[in-house]
Amino acid sequence: GAVVSQHPSRVICKSGTSVKIECRSLDFQATTMFWYRQFPKQSLMLMATSNEGSKATYEQGVEKDKFLINHASLTLSTLTVTSAHPEDSSFYICSARSRRNEKLFFGSGTQLSVL
Amino acid sequence: GESVGLHLPTLSVQEGDNSIINCAYSNSASDYFIWYKQESGKGPQFIIDIRSNMDKRQGQRVTVLLNKTVKHLSLQIAATQPGDSAVYFCAETLTSGTYKYIFGTGTRLKVLA
Repeated sequence: GAVVSQHPSRVICKSGTSVKIECRSLDFQATTMFWYRQFPKQSLMLMATSNEGSKATYEQGVEKDKFLINHASLTLSTLTVTSAHPEDSSFYICSARSRRNEKLFFGSGTQLSVL
Repeated sequence: GESVGLHLPTLSVQEGDNSIINCAYSNSASDYFIWYKQESGKGPQFIIDIRSNMDKRQGQRVTVLLNKTVKHLSLQIAATQPGDSAVYFCAETLTSGTYKYIFGTGTRLKVLA
């Protein structure tokens, strides 16, 4: 299957700092990338949908100024958690869909811990 | 503070038996469905998909059944193995419009030796 690379896999930061997470589609062009958040023992919660070259569409309740998403190319999207606080601690997962089919492929996730 | 997490329903199956994991989806207009497997600390892994114009699709050791009348999906795993232990999610989407994928609540599969 297609490969989606997500980095870093784990990050620990101090409260008030910003953290950037990268998501790359390695062997296909991703017309759309999605960012999810997952709490322990819960399902994936869609945060935003990002299309290459346009602004991300955020789900209700997700602060766009808090979670900055950039999708500058067909293979790269980034999520920046700005001024992170302990309540932002979570598992963040990106996914990508190619222009050729509907399948959605996921990155390996980033565990963010804010102290 | 820390939010209280929901406990995932758990299905315990003896090794070698068949497993059936169920999912109720929300949007009657959804026309494409995927089952994912997620191991602890990892991203979801694609297992099998099905379009709404089908009611059954088979893969290697897995079968997905779709009942649009009651908005129900199931994943059948034949001869369940220890490596199948994970959390399984169904996802639905409408392949026109925004193409958002919405995930079900998930089921934890525990394979007993």
